[in-house]
This record gives sequence, structure tokens and C-alpha cells, in this order.
Amino acid sequence: DAEITQSPRHKITETGRQVTLACHQTWNHNNMFWYRQDLGHGLRLIHYSYGVQDTNKGEVSDGYSVSRSNTEDLPLTLESAASSQTSVYFCASAPDRGRREQYFGPGTRLTVT
Amino acid sequence: ILNVEQSPQSLHVQEGDSTNFTCSFPSSNFYALHWYRWETAKSPEALFVMTLNGDEKKKGRISATLNTKEGYSYLYIKGSQPEDSATYLCAFINSGAGSYQLTFGKGTKLSVIP
Repeated sequence: DAEITQSPRHKITETGRQVTLACHQTWNHNNMFWYRQDLGHGLRLIHYSYGVQDTNKGEVSDGYSVSRSNTEDLPLTLESAASSQTSVYFCASAPDRGRREQYFGPGTRLTVT
Repeated sequence: ILNVEQSPQSLHVQEGDSTNFTCSFPSSNFYALHWYRWETAKSPEALFVMTLNGDEKKKGRISATLNTKEGYSYLYIKGSQPEDSATYLCAFINSGAGSYQLTFGKGTKLSVIP
């Protein structure tokens, strides 16, 4: 069965370190998204991609970057981790740009100390 | 930044009660409205995607309506069961900026008391 996975599921890192969170989907979806979930804010979009070599900034993109070298993967990099980036991160994919549902991964809980 | 409001923030209902929640969104440049169900310790799962004014969708005991002209959607749960306990998220897509991003509300947390 097709699926979307994230790794690691939990990570603790130190302030200033570079961190990469992986997202892999086997749906063959062109559209992929990264969100963060924080108390009082709900889900907020960090970056998104509509296809290979395409990346776009979302609402809260400062301090994050993504790259899309193939259809299956959209890794999220925190260039220099900050305590404000402690959060739960969700990756999602979708078969089109909005008129069909998004499929969410299981989430990565990141703690920056 | 577009504003999507959900109400109430939380509610408790008795098993068997019917309930409904509201999602309000900007009425201009409407593209789509999504509803997701999010159980604790899991990831959001889609309930409905609605695209046309007057849309009504149903899945079992859960249904939703859409009014794009006035900018609101209702989610109804008939005969609530304990397994319906979850946070219900709505998310709006505006086509004005050409980016088709989902903007999520903060959710309505439903607790169904057996």
C-alpha cells in the first residue's frame, strides 16, 4: 500500500546545529508540504513543492529550507536550530493543488535544547 | 495571512448527542475547503474536500455543508460516539495569490462522554 513516512520520529538537538527531517511518500504525488504544529497556532505551512525542482515558501519559512530532487522525497532542513523551532513537524502529500485531500505523515517531534 | 476561524474551540457531549461545529473563512477568491479529523497521537485524516457553493457531503454519521458566498462551513455529527472524540480541523484555500496553500483553523476539540 502507498504511504507517507517521516524520520526520525523523535529528535533532540542543540541550538545552532543543522538538522534534516526526512519525508518519503510512495503515492507518486507531485505536491508535498511541510507543516509545524504548535499550541495555540494549529498547523502552519513551512514550505511546499509542486514537483521536482520546485520549492516555495509558506507562512513560517524563516530558518528552514527544502529541496526536491525526486518525486518521493522532500527533506526539511533547519539551517541553525533555535529553541523556537521546538515543535511537531508534519509532512503531507496530495495528488493535486487543493481540490483533493492531503495525506499526512506520522509526524516528527523535534526538541531544540 | 488569511484568517480561518473555528468555533467552538472545544466541547463535551454525551454519547448519542448530535453536534455541529462552524468554520468561517474569507469569502473572496474561494478555491476549496477541507475538513480533517485528528485523533490524539495520530496524524490528520481527511473527511471532506468541498469546492462548490451549496456542497453537502456525508460520510456515515458525519456530514458537512458549504456556503462560499458568506464564508462558512458546518460539520455535523449525528449520534456522537466515544470514537468520534478528536480535533476537527478545517482548512481553506484561496486562489487569489495563485499558490493554493491550505490555511488551517485551530480546530474544534470534541470529547464524547460515554
